[in-house]
Amino acid sequence: AQSVAQPEDQVNVAEGNPLTVKCTYSVSGNPYLFWYVQYPNRGLQFLLKYITGDNLVKGSYGFEAEFNKSQTSFHLKKPSALVSDSALYFCAVRDLRGGATNKLIFGTGTLLAVQP
Amino acid sequence: DGGITQSPKYLFRKEGQNVTLSCEQNLNHDAMYWYRQDPGQGLRLIYYSQIVNDFQKGDIAEGYSVSREKKESFPLTVTSAQKNPTAFYLCASSSTGSGRTGELFFGEGSRLTVL
Repeated sequence: AQSVAQPEDQVNVAEGNPLTVKCTYSVSGNPYLFWYVQYPNRGLQFLLKYITGDNLVKGSYGFEAEFNKSQTSFHLKKPSALVSDSALYFCAVRDLRGGATNKLIFGTGTLLAVQP
Repeated sequence: DGGITQSPKYLFRKEGQNVTLSCEQNLNHDAMYWYRQDPGQGLRLIYYSQIVNDFQKGDIAEGYSVSREKKESFPLTVTSAQKNPTAFYLCASSSTGSGRTGELFFGEGSRLTVL
């Protein structure tokens, strides 16, 4: 079965420190992986994706993610956190059930809290 | 600007009433999706449509209905059969052409509260 796991409900980090938001996945075949961010009462905004190629993917707002096939992980990272990064972060994988579509399976989300 | 517009932003409904949430996109995307968001559960797929006049059930379609009469529009009806309709509803769209890489573009959401 395909799935995505975000093991941490909340991550706390001080402003200026590096941050990591964890994601692991389970799919058959090659995964298409995504990270989205959501601010309160807003829709989701796309941050970055891994389809193929370099394992380190760079995205919006200084975020990057590292694809690790052996550990089936796709952790989101940022070298220096900002208070404005505080939001809910979702990891997602393309759902391959039912043929070739762009349906995504989402994790349960991780709330990132950056303290000033 | 191109994007996805959902309306209304907030909606209150009495038990036993049907309600329709609007979703319009001007991105010229073929595929559209409806997700439901509940605290601690992430997003779950309700319905999706790859092309006009065709749509498929997602993981939690019971108590919901959709139509896709125009490429730009994918309204969602929450019927009285939906046992727990209070939630945040998100509409999304994506391109399905060759070279597509799969990211979804989301609207701002509609928050439905059943009184």
